[in-house]
Amino acid sequence: DGGITQSPKYLFRKEGQNVTLSCEQNLNHDAMYWYRQDPGQGLRLIYYSQIVNDFQKGDIAEGYSVSREKKESFPLTVTSAQKNPTAFYLCASTRGLAGVNTGELFFGEGSRLTVL
Amino acid sequence: RKEVEQDPGPFNVPEGATVAFNCTYSNSASQSFFWYRQDCRKEPKLLMSVYSSGNEDGRFTAQLNRASQYISLLIRDSKLSDSATYLCVVSDTGRRALTFGSGTRLQVQP
Repeated sequence: DGGITQSPKYLFRKEGQNVTLSCEQNLNHDAMYWYRQDPGQGLRLIYYSQIVNDFQKGDIAEGYSVSREKKESFPLTVTSAQKNPTAFYLCASTRGLAGVNTGELFFGEGSRLTVL
Repeated sequence: RKEVEQDPGPFNVPEGATVAFNCTYSNSASQSFFWYRQDCRKEPKLLMSVYSSGNEDGRFTAQLNRASQYISLLIRDSKLSDSATYLCVVSDTGRRALTFGSGTRLQVQP
């Protein structure tokens, strides 16, 4: 079955450590996204990528980095520069502009990061 | 001002009730609109698109008022299984991304 796989599902990290969240999709989607969700809040866009080897900052990119070396993969690194990293991180993909216009954003199950 | 604003709720309603959620958006150039549903500690899932003429999917009706930049979702005959957070979503064709509201929490009680 096609879908998006995020790992790990739960992650604990000490302050000052970088951590990388994995996101893999086998839907053959061009566009991939990372969102962050805090309790009682909506989703805020961190980074997005429309095509391999290209990505853009979203609304809250500071303290995060991404890469898009393969179509299937869009890992997110939460660096020590991110001041408040504890949150629920959601990766998503879509076919591109057509997918955005139809609202067909496919999400992974999310990664819950807690900084101790 | 937030791009997409929703009343956070919670809306506590009895089974069988009709409940309506509203949402406003700030970007008049937005082209596409949606409602997503998110269960507790789960990923959001597309509930329905919102069309200018209004559209219905079973017990759910969505309306769009472009002049007022206002979107609504009506749920009739509420079920316990409707308990969730409903996210208002607007397309950002410039960035080719979706912008999410903070959600309205619905709790249907027996």
